[in-house]
Amino acid sequence: GENVEQHPSTLSVQEGDSAVIKCTYSDSASNYFPWYKQELGKGPQLIIDIRSNVGEKKDQRIAVTLNKTAKHFSLHITETQPEDSAVYFCAAKNTGFQKLVFGTGTRLLVSP
Amino acid sequence: GAVVSQHPSWVICKSGTSVKIECRSLDFQATTMFWYRQFPKQSLMLMATSNEGSKATYEQGVEKDKFLINHASLTLSTLTVTSAHPEDSSFYICSAPTGGSGELFFGEGSRLTVL
Repeated sequence: GENVEQHPSTLSVQEGDSAVIKCTYSDSASNYFPWYKQELGKGPQLIIDIRSNVGEKKDQRIAVTLNKTAKHFSLHITETQPEDSAVYFCAAKNTGFQKLVFGTGTRLLVSP
Repeated sequence: GAVVSQHPSWVICKSGTSVKIECRSLDFQATTMFWYRQFPKQSLMLMATSNEGSKATYEQGVEKDKFLINHASLTLSTLTVTSAHPEDSSFYICSAPTGGSGELFFGEGSRLTVL
């Protein structure tokens, strides 16, 4: 089955800096890669996703890149703000199947 | 994005009692919903897949008699933790995929504390 690894487990940056979180997946059949932001005591919130037919997707300060050959994808947050502080999870699935496999999470701390 | 609502957001119960958690898709229909469990500082662990009109599918190691799942309608799934014990204390989160794009949206989560 699919296995998703995520790094780093914690990331501390200064406000205004960029943050990058990386994930690798094992199943070459996976074709959908969402990213979730989870604030303390809340459910995960979908912030961006990418499908295997594109290599990059951007939404304001957030971007995701996908390298299908290497089977890895990354989340890029530019001009970080304190409210970006949260736990971020990557995930992967094959749209032909229902189960979403999550990474282990990255705790991002943005200091003012 | 689509809205998934979970209730209650937190519950405290005595050991041996049962607790029901509801998950509703507010603006779309969901023939399938997923129930996750999350321990502190850990990732989400899929417990079971709830299927409207049929039995739930449980992940390996999840006790189906302990965690009863009922998908009563296209917008409602319930998780009942039966004969709860302190080790069942956790954060339970449901999710539902939208039909078209398959994006998965999560509820706000329910924190269960068993005394």
